[in-house]
Amino acid sequence: AQTVTQSQPEMSVQEAETVTLSCTYDTSENNYYLFWYKQPPSRQMILVIRQEAYKQQNATENRFSVNFQKAAKSFSLKISDSQLGDTAMYFCAFCGNKLVFGAGTILRVKS
Amino acid sequence: GAGVSQSPRYKVAKRGQDVALRCDPISGHVSLFWYQQALGQGPEFLTYFQNEAQLDKSGLPSDRFFAERPEGSVSTLKIQRTQQEDSAVYLCASSLRTPAEKLFFGSGTQLSVL
Repeated sequence: AQTVTQSQPEMSVQEAETVTLSCTYDTSENNYYLFWYKQPPSRQMILVIRQEAYKQQNATENRFSVNFQKAAKSFSLKISDSQLGDTAMYFCAFCGNKLVFGAGTILRVKS
Repeated sequence: GAGVSQSPRYKVAKRGQDVALRCDPISGHVSLFWYQQALGQGPEFLTYFQNEAQLDKSGLPSDRFFAERPEGSVSTLKIQRTQQEDSAVYLCASSLRTPAEKLFFGSGTQLSVL
């Protein structure tokens, strides 16, 4: 079974600074996808970024980028120029034949 | 509608009561998922439909939980004889084709069992 581990229950960052959220996963599959989702207090789950495991190039989406280390089964999220609106719960997720989530990291952006 | 719609948004049930939670996915989306999210935790997979076929129900915690999608669009998650441990937010998500694509989530139904 696939598992996703987020070792940081909570993180804080000053507005305009950079923060990195960690994620590791365990799988025996070779073809899969990795995601970061954001969940603000409204409960609406929003896709932040998506990475195909067969692509070596790290995905980027504006201020959001990932560091994908396939051999180490690591998939961290870097948020640059943090904004107050980035305050939310962030979930790392693995998809083989179904989407499996980690426990989440609460990110607080301080002004 | 433009997004995934779930109803009701909040549901309070007495222990032992049956409840039904509804999910309206985005029109034309083939894949539909149900997740259970306890307070402060990540969503836990419950079940997955491809059109009307329930391909994976391995996450349903007991035989009190039942899901259906009879016409391949709207889905209902039914919980019989609710227990306090069933209290959680139930999230529905859909994708155009496969689970590996972007999932669009509803805002969830918060179930409180007293």
